[in-house]
Amino acid sequence: NAGVTQTPKFQVLKTGQSMTLQCAQDMNHNSMYWYRQDPGMGLRLIYYSASEGTTDKGEVPNGYNVSRLNKREFSLRLESAAPSQTSVYFCASSAWDSNTEAFFGQGTRLTVV
Amino acid sequence: KQEVTQIPAALSVPEGENLVLNCSFTDSAIYNLQWFRQDPGKGLTSLLLIQSSQREQTSGRLNASLDKSSGRSTLYIAASQPGDSATYLCAVKAAGNQFYFGTGTSLTVIP
Repeated sequence: NAGVTQTPKFQVLKTGQSMTLQCAQDMNHNSMYWYRQDPGMGLRLIYYSASEGTTDKGEVPNGYNVSRLNKREFSLRLESAAPSQTSVYFCASSAWDSNTEAFFGQGTRLTVV
Repeated sequence: KQEVTQIPAALSVPEGENLVLNCSFTDSAIYNLQWFRQDPGKGLTSLLLIQSSQREQTSGRLNASLDKSSGRSTLYIAASQPGDSATYLCAVKAAGNQFYFGTGTSLTVIP
């Protein structure tokens, strides 16, 4: 059982380049999330998808776009990377059931130079 | 807006000591509270999940309590070991299937 899988694990981009972070879960979860984690800032929600076909902005959506491709996959796109987007990005998923927990991927460490 | 706070931000203890990590939240309308462990450069590993109707959960040397009315949770670690050194985060699940995270407590257990 793979859980939540993120690719790539590491990436270096030049300012202005674009890239897509991929996330897939195999737990049949309705909801998926993208967070960024910065020192001293904790986890901040970028976008989330409550269910297939829906996406909503979180706390820090500027500079990002997302696609909920199907129930399994939720991608995060940086159209024009900026140094301020240097961070560790985590994808998470959860069932809609209020009693269930969140499961996290291993993260993508992104550096924008 | 739900706010989750963890105090202290960092904690250093000698091996074998029992310790308590604290988590507080401002809105008691939660579905559950989850404690995570994060090792440097790694993802979040779920340790314990407490439903809003529960008072505590135990797993091995870990015991988590929840007092929803006062907006508090504690994670008790018994007989700490150097391998327990990590950052511990708490998160509450609220309406809209949203999760709100604390900024974590960085724990160092000294051999």
